[in-house]
Amino acid sequence: DVKVTQSSRYLVKRTGEKVFLECVQDMDHENMFWYRQDPGLGLRLIYFSYDVKMKEKGDIPEGYSVSREKKERFSLILESASTNQTSMYLCASSLLDQTNTGELFFGEGSRLTVL
Amino acid sequence: GQNIDQPTEMTATEGAIVQINCTYQTSGFNGLFWYQQHAGEAPTFLSYNVLDGLEEKGRFSSFLSRSKGYSYLLLKELQMKDSASYLCAVRGAGGSYIPTFGRGTSLIVHP
Repeated sequence: DVKVTQSSRYLVKRTGEKVFLECVQDMDHENMFWYRQDPGLGLRLIYFSYDVKMKEKGDIPEGYSVSREKKERFSLILESASTNQTSMYLCASSLLDQTNTGELFFGEGSRLTVL
Repeated sequence: GQNIDQPTEMTATEGAIVQINCTYQTSGFNGLFWYQQHAGEAPTFLSYNVLDGLEEKGRFSSFLSRSKGYSYLLLKELQMKDSASYLCAVRGAGGSYIPTFGRGTSLIVHP
């Protein structure tokens, strides 16, 4: 069974703290994504990666960075958390292949609260 | 850029049929997805359309018209467990496999 695992379901951090959100997939997928989901705004893409050490900015990368040192792991980093980064963060992966649908497999999400 | 529009909220009765629409304007097109997301859970894949027409999968069907930039998700024989958010996502062209999501439609099924 396919699995995308996010390290923390719930986090509470203080303004200015550095925050790491970890995501691991066991499907050998090339593509990995970080989205944030906010009420009324839907899922918005922060960063994605299509290979180890490769990363591309999504629609809202400001205030975030990412790291992909191994194929199965994609980390989202908030260098200095701010209250407007309070959100649900969803990691996803997909297969880079024109022969399939390229559907996304999502993790359970990490709900971050910044005080 | 891509613009995806779907209703914010819909309500329906158990046992009925409901149609959730999605319209999109994209620079190129390489497939449309529907995902289901129950409260507090991860989105899960429901359907994928890349050619015009209807794709049926049990109680759920998805339709696509590329010329009209339009899709719908049809849910038949509604059950209480179908209460969830339904997310429409469109993948653009150019070799990118990155889908852009609409804001989602919250479906409430009542007895």
